[in-house]
Amino acid sequence: AQSVTQLDSQVPVFEEAPVELRCNYSSSVSVYLFWYVQYPNQGLQLLLKYLSGSTLVKGINGFEAEFNKSQTSFHLRKPSVHISDTAEYFCAVRATGFQKLVFGTGTRLLVSP
Amino acid sequence: GAVVSQHPSRVICKSGTSVKIECRSLDFQATTMFWYRQFPKQSLMLMATSNEGSKATYEQGVEKDKFLINHASLTLSTLTVTSAHPEDSSFYICSAAVLGEEYTDTQYFGPGTRLTVL
Repeated sequence: AQSVTQLDSQVPVFEEAPVELRCNYSSSVSVYLFWYVQYPNQGLQLLLKYLSGSTLVKGINGFEAEFNKSQTSFHLRKPSVHISDTAEYFCAVRATGFQKLVFGTGTRLLVSP
Repeated sequence: GAVVSQHPSRVICKSGTSVKIECRSLDFQATTMFWYRQFPKQSLMLMATSNEGSKATYEQGVEKDKFLINHASLTLSTLTVTSAHPEDSSFYICSAAVLGEEYTDTQYFGPGTRLTVL
């Protein structure tokens, strides 16, 4: 079975500051990794994904994440955030060969002026 | 590309009635659709996985007879909440994917349906 831990339930940050949202996972098999963003009362939008290849993946809206197999982490980063980045961010994993996505509990990013 | 719609976006119903939620993949054919439930300020919990033309696979603890899932075509899946009660009030989200042999494809999510049972 897989599990995902997002230790930070909420991350407050000022506009134009850098941010890192942490994600650690546990799995006995190889996994694919995803970050999704959810705006209030909306569904999830894919930010980026890691399937294979380069461990640094770039996504939409200036976000990027780095897969670290030894630390079983997939932290999300953005060098300069905007007010509009305020949302809930979910990290998810899927074991290769399986369909089920397992989500973390989410991190609320709060960007203030 | 990869747009998934849900209808309705919001529904309020009386206790004891049934509610149907539709999930459509608008610009691709989804071999598999997933139904999730999300409680306020919590993560998404997978309820069931449905493959076109076959019975849905439900997660442990999800009542099959209460949450009826039909995946009649490659672009449409429906979730029917039967005899709804206030505790069924939640945000229901579907996702759709084209899953090949390597299961490398991505799930694309609908905008969600807010169900309120009075």
